[in-house]
Amino acid sequence: EDQVTQSPEALRLQEGESSSLNCSYTVSGLRGLFWYRQDPGKGPEFLFTLYSAGEEKEKERLKATLTKKESFLHITAPKPEDSATYLCAVLSNNNDMRFGAGTRLTVKP
Amino acid sequence: DTGVSQDPRHKITKRGQNVTFRCDPISEHNRLYWYRQTLGQGPEFLTYFQNEAQLEKSRLLSDRFSAERPKGSFSTLEIQRTEQGDSAMYLCASSPGTGHGYTFGSGTRLTVV
Repeated sequence: EDQVTQSPEALRLQEGESSSLNCSYTVSGLRGLFWYRQDPGKGPEFLFTLYSAGEEKEKERLKATLTKKESFLHITAPKPEDSATYLCAVLSNNNDMRFGAGTRLTVKP
Repeated sequence: DTGVSQDPRHKITKRGQNVTFRCDPISEHNRLYWYRQTLGQGPEFLTYFQNEAQLEKSRLLSDRFSAERPKGSFSTLEIQRTEQGDSAMYLCASSPGTGHGYTFGSGTRLTVV
């Protein structure tokens, strides 16, 4: 069965303190790995799609990378407005996008 | 296009009542998905449509749940004989095809009392 595990569950950073979030996955035929941001009371907001190992995508202070077993979301010099839950999801040959439980990020000024 | 719209935003219902939620996807998107999310968890897949055809249903979707997408436009999710365990955020999303990121609505928060 496809599985997605995110770590840590929660992360508290000081403004400007860079760090990484991890997403480990097991899937039968990866068609894509997705990162989303979710603010409280709202639906997830799409950030990136990664399709193959070695691929990287960047957007402002965020950079996503992918290997055959895991993905990292690197946050460089975060700001308080980056505080949110970051969700990882995998799309398999079953056409089923399975989400992890997320990492709750808090950035203190 | 203003994105994916869901209605209502909040619904409080008594146990045993039926509820119906509506989702209006992005008009150019032929795929529409329903997910359920509980506190501290990621969204769980319920079902999805390609145009008007319901192509897949999760084991989570008991026979009390039914979804429709008439004419391949908006979709409705109905829960019959609600139970307290149905309390959750119900999220709708759409995409232009397989392999694309989903655009989610803001969700309908259901509370069963």
